[in-house]
Amino acid sequence: DGGITQSPKYLFRKEGQNVTLSCEQNLNHDAMYWYRQDPGQGLRLIYYSQIVNDFQKGDIAEGYSVSREKKESFPLTVTSAQKNPTAFYLCASSPYDRGAGELFFGEGSRLTVL
Amino acid sequence: QQQVKQSPQSLIVQKGGISIINCAYENTAFDYFPWYQQFPGKGPALLIAIRPDVSEKKEGRFTISFNKSAKQFSLHIMDSQPGDSATYFCAASRAGGSEKLVFGKGTKLTVNP
Repeated sequence: DGGITQSPKYLFRKEGQNVTLSCEQNLNHDAMYWYRQDPGQGLRLIYYSQIVNDFQKGDIAEGYSVSREKKESFPLTVTSAQKNPTAFYLCASSPYDRGAGELFFGEGSRLTVL
Repeated sequence: QQQVKQSPQSLIVQKGGISIINCAYENTAFDYFPWYQQFPGKGPALLIAIRPDVSEKKEGRFTISFNKSAKQFSLHIMDSQPGDSATYFCAASRAGGSEKLVFGKGTKLTVNP
């Protein structure tokens, strides 16, 4: 089945530690995205990548880093510089040539900082 | 200019009733208006979308109504069912890639049996 796989589903981290969230897609989509979801805040864009080896900051990139070494993979690192990292993180992809709007989401990773 | 304002934050409807969620935007450059549905613990999924060249789009029990002059669009769920209980997000985008998509803050819909 084609889709987006995020792991881990739940993650606990101590303050001061970096943590990496995995996102893999087998939809052959060019573009991939990371969103953060907080209760009552909607979805906010952290980073996005339209092509391998290139990525751009979204609206709330501070304290996060990404890489895009393969078309299928777009891991997100939540660094110790992120002041409030506890959130639900969503990875998405889209076939870029279709233009805006059609995002396919993974099931999310819930990060809790203890 | 980039905001999409969604209301209400939460909505409770009886089974068989009509659920209505409203969104308003300011940026007249927006030209794509999707709605996403999210069940607890899952990622959102595209439900239905509209472009401003039409005033209404219907897919089964779900209808988007679009008012370009008022810069508003709404989602109507007819004959609401308990299985429709989810969080709904409206969004808007201008020409370009999906990185341009701006989301509303979401509406939590509960349909009572």
